[in-house]
Amino acid sequence: GNSVTQMEGPVTLSEEAFLTINCTYTATGYPSLFWYVQYPGEGLQLLLKATKADDKGSNKGFEATYRKETTSFHLEKGSVQVSDSAVYFCALYSGAGSYQLTFGKGTKLSVIP
Amino acid sequence: DAGVIQSPRHEVTEMGQEVTLRCKPISGHDYLFWYRQTMMRGLELLIYFNNNVPIDDSGMPEDRFSAKMPNASFSTLKIQPSEPRDSAVYFCASSLDTGIGQFFGPGTRLTVL
Repeated sequence: GNSVTQMEGPVTLSEEAFLTINCTYTATGYPSLFWYVQYPGEGLQLLLKATKADDKGSNKGFEATYRKETTSFHLEKGSVQVSDSAVYFCALYSGAGSYQLTFGKGTKLSVIP
Repeated sequence: DAGVIQSPRHEVTEMGQEVTLRCKPISGHDYLFWYRQTMMRGLELLIYFNNNVPIDDSGMPEDRFSAKMPNASFSTLKIQPSEPRDSAVYFCASSLDTGIGQFFGPGTRLTVL
């Protein structure tokens, strides 16, 4: 079946540090990949996505590249801000007759001034 | 667009009472999803609809839970009778096509005493 594995948190960084949150997946076919962000007290928001191998999704300074050879979709940001503190979820959609998203367990990021 | 709308935002009730959560999806979206989020179990898909028809309810924990979608702009999740272990944040999400990502509502925080 489909699965998503994220690095366990929490992750604590100083402001302006470089961020990487690892995500690897197992899926049938050629899935679409997503990163969602959940700020405290809010619902999940779609941060970025990639629908085929070697695509790079980007938004708000965050980037992730769809690597089929390593089945990975790592999230990166060059310089984090305090406002980036949130929980980040990696997810995939494999199609193949199912319309569900498969989510990772989430990685909590705290950015300190 | 107003996004996905959920009500109420917070609900506190006593064990044994009936609870009804409401969701209005984004206009034109064909898919509607109900999720539950807890610290212990993370984000769980309960049920999803396509064109108002329930497609997969395998995530509904037990018969106390039921969901309906009488029309394209409204869905309910009902718990009867409620129990303390049902305390969680319940999210509704909608999408035009799951392959392009789901859009989440702000959630309903349910507390069952």
